[in-house]
Amino acid sequence: QKEVEQNSGPLSVPEGAIASLNCTYSDRGSQSFFWYRQYSGKSPELIMFIYSNGDKEDGRFTAQLNKASQYVSLLIRDSQPSDSATYLCAVNMGDSNYQLIWGAGTKLIIKP
Amino acid sequence: GAVVSQHPSRVICKSGTSVKIECRSLDFQATTMFWYRQFPKKSLMLMATSNEGSKATYEQGVEKDKFLINHASLTLSTLTVTSAHPEDSSFYICSARLPSALEETQYFGPGTRLLVL
Repeated sequence: QKEVEQNSGPLSVPEGAIASLNCTYSDRGSQSFFWYRQYSGKSPELIMFIYSNGDKEDGRFTAQLNKASQYVSLLIRDSQPSDSATYLCAVNMGDSNYQLIWGAGTKLIIKP
Repeated sequence: GAVVSQHPSRVICKSGTSVKIECRSLDFQATTMFWYRQFPKKSLMLMATSNEGSKATYEQGVEKDKFLINHASLTLSTLTVTSAHPEDSSFYICSARLPSALEETQYFGPGTRLLVL
């Protein structure tokens, strides 16, 4: 069974601090990895993707991938109350049907 | 770029009626679209994968005769909930695959909230 695991949270972080969100996946053949943000009552929106080992930075967001440990994380620097949302990790395991395997999401709360 | 629209955003219908939801990729061609449903405070549940010009692939436990999917063009997929019942009330979200050489990004529509009375 191909799985993507996330801590459901909630993860509470003070405003201005770094929020660290983690995700593990079961399939070593996984090829690309995505972080989506979902506000309550809204659909998911893509934050960033990563497919190479190491770090990828985009503004206040940094995705980190470690394929040996089957681990992907998202760091949010200078957290803002508007970052409060559920963060979904998704993994493309290279199947021909192009499906993403989704984690259950981590609820992040940024406290002013 | 990579904008996906969905219509309607909200629909209320009577039990036994059918409801059609449209998903459009506005600025790219999407050979593959996906339909999800989501219950309150729950994770996304993939219902089916829609491929242009061919039959949709349904996930286990999803009734294909109840949830009719048509992907007639490279920019449009539709989901029809037939003979809707109150238990079909949910948040339905489509996504479209943006193919590239390196990753298979999915972009989501804004979702359709269905309430069956």
